[in-house]
Amino acid sequence: KNQVEQSPQSLIILEGKNCTLQCNYTVSPFSNLRWYKQDTGRGPVSLTIMTFSENTKSNGRYTATLDADTKQSSLHITASQLSDSASYICVVSAPGGGNKLTFGTGTQLKVEL
Amino acid sequence: DVKVTQSSRYLVKRTGEKVFLECVQDMDHENMFWYRQDPGLGLRLIYFSYDVKMKEKGDIPEGYSVSREKKERFSLILESASTNQTSMYLCASSLHASDRVSILRNYEQYFGPGTRLTVT
Repeated sequence: KNQVEQSPQSLIILEGKNCTLQCNYTVSPFSNLRWYKQDTGRGPVSLTIMTFSENTKSNGRYTATLDADTKQSSLHITASQLSDSASYICVVSAPGGGNKLTFGTGTQLKVEL
Repeated sequence: DVKVTQSSRYLVKRTGEKVFLECVQDMDHENMFWYRQDPGLGLRLIYFSYDVKMKEKGDIPEGYSVSREKKERFSLILESASTNQTSMYLCASSLHASDRVSILRNYEQYFGPGTRLTVT
C-alpha cells in the first residue's frame, strides 16, 4: 500500500531559528513529490514540486530536497517567522495526470517569540 | 491567480439531511477534486472529475455523490448526512496533463479554503 509518513508530528521553534521536516514514502512508481503549507482553517497551498530527476528545489526561505533512491524528502525552513506556523504536508504523486496523490498527515509547526 | 472558492466556510446539518457543497474555479481547469481531511488521516480523495459530466470514484466514495454540469463547478452531495461525515471538505482543481512532459510535471492541484461540516 502506498504510504507517506512525516516526522515529527509536531514541532515548536523560536522565531529566527531553522528547522527541517522529514517525509518518507513508499509510493511506487513515483512521479513527483510536493510540499504544501496549510494554515489553520485554510486549504493547502503549494510550496514546491519536484520530479524524480530533481533533488532540490527552493521557494524563498523554504528548501526541499529529494532522494528518490531512499524515498526520502526534507523541507528546510530558514530564519523562521511567526507566519510559518502551519501544517506542512508532504504529497507524493504516481504517474497518470496528477490525479493519484498520496498525502502525509502533516507536521504541525509552531513558531514562537 | 488561480481561485477556487467553496460555497460555505462552516456548515451545521442534522443527521439525515441532504447536503450540497459547491466548488467553483475560475481558471478553466479540466480536473476537479473533492477531499475530506480528518485529524491523523491526512487528505482522502472522495471523487474527482476530469470533464463535464464525467466523474470517477476516489478512495472513499461511500455516502457521497457528485455533479459536474459545468466545467467551472463541481458539487459534492451527501444524500443523507451522518455524524461520521463531520469533517473538513476541500475542493481542488488542476489542468489536465495530456502530453508526456506535463504528465511528468503533474499539474499542481489548487485548493479552495475548505468547508467545515458538522453533522449533529
